[in-house]
Amino acid sequence: QSVLTQPPSVSGAPGQRVIISCTGSSSNMARFDVHWYQQLPGTAPKLLIYVNSNRPSGVPDRFSGSKSGTSASLVITGLQAEDEADYYCQSYDSSLSGHVFGTGTKVTVL
Amino acid sequence: QVQLQQWGAGLLKPSETLSLTCAMHGGSFSGYYWSWIRQPPGKGLEWIAEVNYSGSTNDNPSFKSRVTISVDTSKTQFSLHLTSVTAADTAVYYCVRGGSGGYSWFDPWGQGILVTVSS
Repeated sequence: QSVLTQPPSVSGAPGQRVIISCTGSSSNMARFDVHWYQQLPGTAPKLLIYVNSNRPSGVPDRFSGSKSGTSASLVITGLQAEDEADYYCQSYDSSLSGHVFGTGTKVTVL
Repeated sequence: QVQLQQWGAGLLKPSETLSLTCAMHGGSFSGYYWSWIRQPPGKGLEWIAEVNYSGSTNDNPSFKSRVTISVDTSKTQFSLHLTSVTAADTAVYYCVRGGSGGYSWFDPWGQGILVTVSS
């Protein structure tokens, strides 16, 4: 069950800026960090952002993340065709005593 | 660079037990949590369970005690057993490395294995 809510889809033209939201609650995102994953079609998810706003080595700087309270955002600045994928947020939930994922957002490049 | 290689049966009948194993290569096994995550076809990600190098475990309550996760530090492997499977357990199963503190991110991910439950 997904306890973090994301929009099902977002789209944008190449070069545009898109924002993916992730909304949680007091038992998860308000207390714990948020991480983001990119899943290209037919592949395993890949870590995109960790601890709210940090990019692993090799992730382009057009990807950025932020968190405030029970909400987080992933921003893609300068959208490219290869960014077409599913994106998931992830955190920890103290009520469930486990890791939780967002519902996922499909990014379409127009 | 840490790599995860996973294997197990890909086709099960209802009521059977799912068994998957994941081997870690190229990094430290101790000091981390190791998890299983699944993704039903066309759906989102669901965390199943985690184990650390000393054998301490946590699992998702939604699996209602059907899950066993274990570790073999001598082989740098960890395993998942899920009993009494049904069609709802059909999914791609991924093994992943978590953090050292238990509340962390997941990286890297194994290649995934599709497990289909069908009579």
